[in-house]
Amino acid sequence: NAGVTQTPKFQVLKTGQSMTLQCAQDMNHEYMSWYRQDPGMGLRLIHYSVGAGITDQGEVPNGYNVSRSTTEDFPLRLLSAAPSQTSVYFCASSPGQGGEQYFGPGTRLTVT
Amino acid sequence: AQRVTQPEKLLSVFKGAPVELKCNYSYSGSPELFWYVQYSRQRLQLLLRHISRESIKGFTADLNKGETSFHLKKPFAQEEDSAMYYCALSSLGGNKLVFGAGTILRVKS
Repeated sequence: NAGVTQTPKFQVLKTGQSMTLQCAQDMNHEYMSWYRQDPGMGLRLIHYSVGAGITDQGEVPNGYNVSRSTTEDFPLRLLSAAPSQTSVYFCASSPGQGGEQYFGPGTRLTVT
Repeated sequence: AQRVTQPEKLLSVFKGAPVELKCNYSYSGSPELFWYVQYSRQRLQLLLRHISRESIKGFTADLNKGETSFHLKKPFAQEEDSAMYYCALSSLGGNKLVFGAGTILRVKS
């Protein structure tokens, strides 16, 4: 099993550009989440999904969209990138409520 | 509101010394507490959770509801313990994690 995979590993965007961060898992987990990691702030939840077709907002959802059309994939869309979205983004999946979360390797995004 | 506080950004100890990484939380219900660890160039991974009451890699953590704390302890630090440690909270039955800011542990030889 590859576990949780994320692409790309690194990305540089200009202000106003849009892009999609990809996340996939091959463990048949129902729960998937997106977090951003910023120095001094830990990880903060952006959006999460409890199953295909179901998504909800986390702590810092503004400027991001998600969809969950399959169990395996959970892409994160930046609609109009801003410098404040410069961060490391982690995708995670979990087999059930309250279960251990399995994290991907992260995507380092810089917005200039 | 749920909140996790890790007061130390950096904790530096010598090999063989005891380690205590502090974590305090704020939550009105019955939370589930976790410690996650990120070693250099590796993914964030679960170290331990209070429900399991396990000792992983020599680390233990006890949930103290009176002091709302979940400190991570190890009696004798090893160099391979050097990493970033995050304390996290989730409401029971939920799957959303609230993380602390993290503590970098450096174990010096």
